[in-house]
Amino acid sequence: AQKITQTQPGMFVQEKEAVTLDCTYDTSDPSYGLFWYKQPSSGEMIFLIYQGSYDQQNATEGRYSLNFQKARKSANLVISASQLGDSAMYFCAMRGLIQGAQKLVFGQGTRLTINP
Amino acid sequence: DTGVSQDPRHKITKRGQNVTFRCDPISEHNRLYWYRQTLGQGPEFLTYFQNEAQLEKSRLLSDRFSAERPKGSFSTLEIQRTEQGDSAMYLCASSLRSLGGSIRGETQYFGPGTRLLVL
Repeated sequence: AQKITQTQPGMFVQEKEAVTLDCTYDTSDPSYGLFWYKQPSSGEMIFLIYQGSYDQQNATEGRYSLNFQKARKSANLVISASQLGDSAMYFCAMRGLIQGAQKLVFGQGTRLTINP
Repeated sequence: DTGVSQDPRHKITKRGQNVTFRCDPISEHNRLYWYRQTLGQGPEFLTYFQNEAQLEKSRLLSDRFSAERPKGSFSTLEIQRTEQGDSAMYLCASSLRSLGGSIRGETQYFGPGTRLLVL
């Protein structure tokens, strides 16, 4: 079985500061993918960034980067130069290549609030 | 840019009534997924289709729930005899099956969801 743990229910950050959202995972799949999604109050899940378990480098997408530490089974999301529009729920998710077929397994999320 | 669309966006119904939700995936995507998200939780997988075939169903999908994707394009999720515990956000996602089996290539893109409230 796969499991995602997000231990920060809420985070409060000043605008323009960097923020790290924690994510740890557990799986027996040798090959898997890790995803981060943003969910504004409107409800839509917006894909942010992907990290493959065998990727040699940490993923980056604009202001988003993923601090992937495979041995620690962690995949923390780093948002640089935070903006007011970054205020939302953030979910870490994973999908195995072998077990669990196609479904994404999500954590409970972290609510990020950016203060002006 | 046509992303995943869902209809309706909001639904209020009385306990015992049947409801049906529709999802239109990104046009070239052959995989379609349904998830349910209750307040304060992450989404939970319900079922997924590859083209018109329903290939996996979660234990969460009781016999009151049925999903179809008759022509491999849009999908419907029906809940019969709704219960108050069915109140949730129902999210649809789609992806394009990657022939090489790349997980990256099969990123799931979500629609805006349907918020169901059962009174």
